[in-house]
Amino acid sequence: DIQMTQSPATLSASVGDRVTITCRASQSISNLLAWYQYKPGKAPKLLIYKTSSLDTGVPSRFSGSGSGTEFTLTISSLQPDDFATYYCHQYDTYDFSFGPGTKVDLK
Amino acid sequence: QVQLVQSGAELKKPGASVKVSCKASGFTFNTYAITWVRLAPGEGLEWMGRISVYNGDTKYAQKFHGRVTISTDTSTSTAYMELRSLRSDDTAAYFCARDARAIFGVAPDVWGQGTTVTVSS
Repeated sequence: DIQMTQSPATLSASVGDRVTITCRASQSISNLLAWYQYKPGKAPKLLIYKTSSLDTGVPSRFSGSGSGTEFTLTISSLQPDDFATYYCHQYDTYDFSFGPGTKVDLK
Repeated sequence: QVQLVQSGAELKKPGASVKVSCKASGFTFNTYAITWVRLAPGEGLEWMGRISVYNGDTKYAQKFHGRVTISTDTSTSTAYMELRSLRSDDTAAYFCARDARAIFGVAPDVWGQGTTVTVSS
């Protein structure tokens, strides 16, 4: 199975900050890597699919990049609504898997 | 509008089974796959499996193999996830999601509201 890791586990930031989260796969995957935002009591929200494609309605401050085993999610200017937990998800090779999550909180 | 509506919360005893439903509307159900993911308290998202509605092909996470069955009823555009031999660590919110991986390479994009399953004696 492909193991996904994320760093950092927690990120303290201020509104307006540029934020970068890294996701690493235990083996090389194709571009089938997604990013989700999760807030307690809600359903996960798809932000990015196929490494860098923005889902419909997602603000352009979110962007994704990477290849092989290393992928990143960048929020160019953190907004109040962005404080949440972010998960990467590889849906390239079975068993599909999620990273452990990165919590973005207020500094 | 495009949505998935899941069945209500469940309280089960250890060793029992639970079957969660996920009713689709607003899109062509047969065109997609349905993925199931769970989120246990204090844990992260966990992929459980998926079913391709158009051909019935299922894939399950090894961790749940033999305990989980994912199925669909195309006549009612409803997907189901049954988990058997429940344990206390199966206590979690269970989510279904529309999955367009095979068509557009899109990860699960439309999600149900989640169903809380509590396993307790």
